[in-house]
Amino acid sequence: GAVVSQHPSRVICKSGTSVKIECRSLDFQATTMFWYRQFPKQSLMLMATSNEGSKATYEQGVEKDKFLINHASLTLSTLTVTSAHPEDSSFYICSLQVLRTGSTSDTQYFGPGTRLTVL
Amino acid sequence: SQKIEQNSEALNIQEGKTATLTCNYTNYSPAYLQWYRQDPGRGPVFLLLIRENEKEKRKERLKVTFDTTLKQSLFHITASQPADSATYLCALRDTGGGNKLTFGTGTQLKVEL
Repeated sequence: GAVVSQHPSRVICKSGTSVKIECRSLDFQATTMFWYRQFPKQSLMLMATSNEGSKATYEQGVEKDKFLINHASLTLSTLTVTSAHPEDSSFYICSLQVLRTGSTSDTQYFGPGTRLTVL
Repeated sequence: SQKIEQNSEALNIQEGKTATLTCNYTNYSPAYLQWYRQDPGRGPVFLLLIRENEKEKRKERLKVTFDTTLKQSLFHITASQPADSATYLCALRDTGGGNKLTFGTGTQLKVEL
């Protein structure tokens, strides 16, 4: 399967600051990456779909001006949480989609996640 | 409204027994359904995919069934081991839903010696 890394794994920041999270595909060229958020004991919630070279597609209720996504290359997507507040504290996970030749299905490979704590 | 439901209570079983986890969905027409394993503080890891026209899929000690009439998928781990302890998530791709995966809340499995 594909190998996905995230950096940093943990970050603690003060309220009002911005935090950038990187998601790298180490062995696949990913035209599409996904960003999820997971609160304790809850499901993964899709925040946005990140497309290489174009604007991200955000899910309903996710503020695009607050969660800036940049997918400038086939191996790197970044999520920047701007003016972070305590309610943004969560586990942020990226994934990339691998389409199998001749298949109508795909598998998502997830990064290890980034734990964000906003004080 | 659309829902994907998994048992919220942890499932505790004895080593060597078969663990069975349930995923029920409402108001979806899944093109396919996937099962993932998630360990604490880690991202999910893909386990199995089953398509709408498939009844059963197996991979080593894992078995997944898919009943589109009952709108349910069952995930079985046979000969369970303490190392199987984790949270298991089901996720589905809705027909016409683009490439978006929607996840259930997961069920925590604890395999005891």
